[in-house]
Amino acid sequence: QKEVEQNSGPLSVPEGAIASLNCTYSDRGSQSFFWYRQYSGKSPELIMSIYSNGDKEDGRFTAQLNKASQYVSLLIRDSQPSDSATYLCAVNLGNFNKFYFGSGTKLNVKP
Amino acid sequence: SQTIHQWPATLVQPVGSPLSLECTVEGTSNPNLYWYRQAAGRGLQLLFYSVGIGQISSEVPQNLSASRPQDRQFILSSKKLLLSDSGFYLCAWSGTNTGELFFGEGSRLTVL
Repeated sequence: QKEVEQNSGPLSVPEGAIASLNCTYSDRGSQSFFWYRQYSGKSPELIMSIYSNGDKEDGRFTAQLNKASQYVSLLIRDSQPSDSATYLCAVNLGNFNKFYFGSGTKLNVKP
Repeated sequence: SQTIHQWPATLVQPVGSPLSLECTVEGTSNPNLYWYRQAAGRGLQLLFYSVGIGQISSEVPQNLSASRPQDRQFILSSKKLLLSDSGFYLCAWSGTNTGELFFGEGSRLTVL
């Protein structure tokens, strides 16, 4: 069973729209949750981290966590073509020693 | 500020040849260090992680090994490469306080 699951996409949204990316995880002991952006051929870069239930906003990005449903999401407001990338969800099992990643969702923002 | 570097960035190796990828972290002490592999169009597979010098944990049995000879140095090795070892190798570090993971630039390995 995969620890972290994401829809592979591609998810296509028009410029200026809200992009919604979703992720589920299997281990209820998971403590920390992260979203990474990866451009083609590049290494992942951290966008958001979230540790408690609810919403966390940073600029155009909002991360949402629901531990009861084992669900974490990322909303990107006012999507730009430069947001076109693969978005990876990652989960840490609470001991800061292991980070598990989903396979990523490819986002295409159309001008 | 903390930085992480890994090299080489790109390499093409014949089947059966050895491999050595190196990673160093600057600006922090006693980091947790990781090696991940990303096959084409796939997610990140955790290969090894280390919480200190000489302490290596392997996630999956494979043709690779890792070593941590110094606090901020992490090395990925193989004695004989297989075709299936091709991929994008990523070194990463995390601090015990923040719990966030940061990646190096990556090393793209093609085994022919």
